Amino acid sequence: DAGVTQSPTHLIKTRGQQVTLRCSPKSGHDTVSWYQQALGQGPQFIFQYYEEEERQRGNFPDRFSGHQFPNYSSELNVNALLLGDSALYLCASSYRKTGRAWETQYFGPGTRLLVL
Amino acid sequence: SQQGEEDPQALSIQEGENATMNCSYKTSINNLQWYRQNSGRGLVHLILIRSNEREKHSGRLRVTLDTSKKSSSLLITASRAADTASYFCATALFAGGTSYGKLTFGQGTILTVHP
Repeated sequence: DAGVTQSPTHLIKTRGQQVTLRCSPKSGHDTVSWYQQALGQGPQFIFQYYEEEERQRGNFPDRFSGHQFPNYSSELNVNALLLGDSALYLCASSYRKTGRAWETQYFGPGTRLLVL
Repeated sequence: SQQGEEDPQALSIQEGENATMNCSYKTSINNLQWYRQNSGRGLVHLILIRSNEREKHSGRLRVTLDTSKKSSSLLITASRAADTASYFCATALFAGGTSYGKLTFGQGTILTVHP
């Protein structure tokens, strides 16, 4: 049973560029959340996708956008990159539909983005 | 923004000793969870405690929750070098409708266990 996978593992971009990060949820999961973790900080919630729609959003600008596909995989897009976007981007999946399964999220290994 | 603070920011102990980490939070919660992160990689879920629970055990882990003080503690007993990692508490609040699974994390505690 594959866990949550993310690609790429590392990425280097320059200011102003755009980036797309990808996430495949754990088998059977239908909800994907994205988090940004700056160095030395705890993860911060970006947004959550369920049934191909953004359901919740954290305090992030519109430069951060996402998408969820029918197979539940998800993409995070960041436009007009800033130096401050350098961080570890974590994807987490969960199962929303029954009981309390939504409570436990499974995290992927993350994509480390460096903006120069 | 971060939910609250974790204390201490860093903890260094010898193998076999116990490690205690504390977490404070600011708002009402449905549950509080603890995660481990090794060397800046993905987070591993350790234990979840609901707002109507006061204490929970899982192997060498013991978690307490005091909702009146908005605080939690994680105790790792008989620590091992492999426990060296960053530990984060995260809170979840289900406010109905769309708020499934949004986690608000603390700053984390860096635990180093010396062999």
